[in-house]
Amino acid sequence: DVKVTQSSRYLVKRTGEKVFLECVQDMDHENMFWYRQDPGLGLRLIYFSYDVKMKEKGDIPEGYSVSREKKERFSLILESASTNQTSMYLCASSRPGQALEQYFGPGTRLTVT
Amino acid sequence: GENVEQHPSTLSVQEGDSAVIKCTYSDSASNYFPWYKQELGKRPQLIIDIRSNVGEKKDQRIAVTLNKTAKHFSLHITETQPEDSAVYFCAATPYDKVIFGPGTSLSVIP
Repeated sequence: DVKVTQSSRYLVKRTGEKVFLECVQDMDHENMFWYRQDPGLGLRLIYFSYDVKMKEKGDIPEGYSVSREKKERFSLILESASTNQTSMYLCASSRPGQALEQYFGPGTRLTVT
Repeated sequence: GENVEQHPSTLSVQEGDSAVIKCTYSDSASNYFPWYKQELGKRPQLIIDIRSNVGEKKDQRIAVTLNKTAKHFSLHITETQPEDSAVYFCAATPYDKVIFGPGTSLSVIP
């Protein structure tokens, strides 16, 4: 059974802080993704990675960066948190290829005050 | 890039009735179309998918149809039950990316 875990379920940070969101998967998946989920906007892709040390920008990368030093771990970094980054953040992983069932983590609800 | 539209944004049906959710996509490179269900407070989970070489696929009370020429695909749920209440997301997959629609909140009224 695939397990995707995220470091925190709830997080409260102040404007300007550097924020790290961690995601770990245990199924040796090559692909990993970070989304943010906002009401009425669905799941929007921030960044994704097909392999270690590899990253690609998604649809809304501004204000974010990522790190993938190990295959099982994909980190999302908010360099200087802002209130408009208050959101639910979901990590996902999948095998490579075009038939991509994504396995999601439980999500991190981030509030920036 | 790929743009996925989804309608309606909210849907209420009586228990036992059918529900239909429709999506359109823009990038002809997409050839795999999954549907995810997200119950309140839980993570999205895949419920059914369809590939571009197939026009329809059924799994018990759930079916998906695809019109690749028109770039439309739909989710059909028959004999709805209260446990079908959730947010449903369609998605298109240009290359290895997965682009989601904005979601449909389905409420099944007992």
